[in-house]
Amino acid sequence: DAGVTQSPTHLIKTRGQQVTLRCSPKSGHDTVSWYQQALGQGPQFIFQYYEEEERQRGNFPDRFSGHQFPNYSSELNVNALLLGDSALYLCASSSDLNEKLFFGSGTQLSVL
Amino acid sequence: DAKTTQPPSMDCAEGRAANLPCNHSTISGNEYVYWYRQIHSQGPQYIIHGLKNNETNEMASLIITEDRKSSTLILPHATLRDTAVYYCIVRVHGNAGNMLTFGGGTRLMVKP
Repeated sequence: DAGVTQSPTHLIKTRGQQVTLRCSPKSGHDTVSWYQQALGQGPQFIFQYYEEEERQRGNFPDRFSGHQFPNYSSELNVNALLLGDSALYLCASSSDLNEKLFFGSGTQLSVL
Repeated sequence: DAKTTQPPSMDCAEGRAANLPCNHSTISGNEYVYWYRQIHSQGPQYIIHGLKNNETNEMASLIITEDRKSSTLILPHATLRDTAVYYCIVRVHGNAGNMLTFGGGTRLMVKP
């Protein structure tokens, strides 16, 4: 049983560009959350998707958007990249029947 | 969700018990105590959680004080692979979104 998988593992972009990160949840999970982790800090909640809708959102600008597909996989999109968007982006999956979150290994985004 | 306070770093000798403290003096009656850890270059990993009773699983034990204002995560026989950042988080169950609020965590270094 595969856990949470994220792609790509590493990505380099330049300021102003757009990026799409992908996540496949653990088998049996229907809820996907995204977190941003800057170097040396704890992860910060971006938003969560359930039944293809954004259910909860953290304190992130509209440049950050997402999508969930019928197979529960999800994408995180970031527009107009800033240098400060450089971070590890983590995807976590869960089920409303289980309070534990399972995290992927993340996508390391570098904005130059 | 209530805030938590953890020491920024701790050392532990390999084979000895690691006791990681967490203060959560403003915890509400319906908030659970969760512990996650993050090994370098990986996503956070669930360890254990509890409400008011002490809990034990194959990874660790969680001791919660009677007033619930603090807790201790115990790794009974620490190994080098337990070197990681440990996060103590308090949250309610059933909160739409399963959002986790991470603090700075405790960086545990297990030494030979």
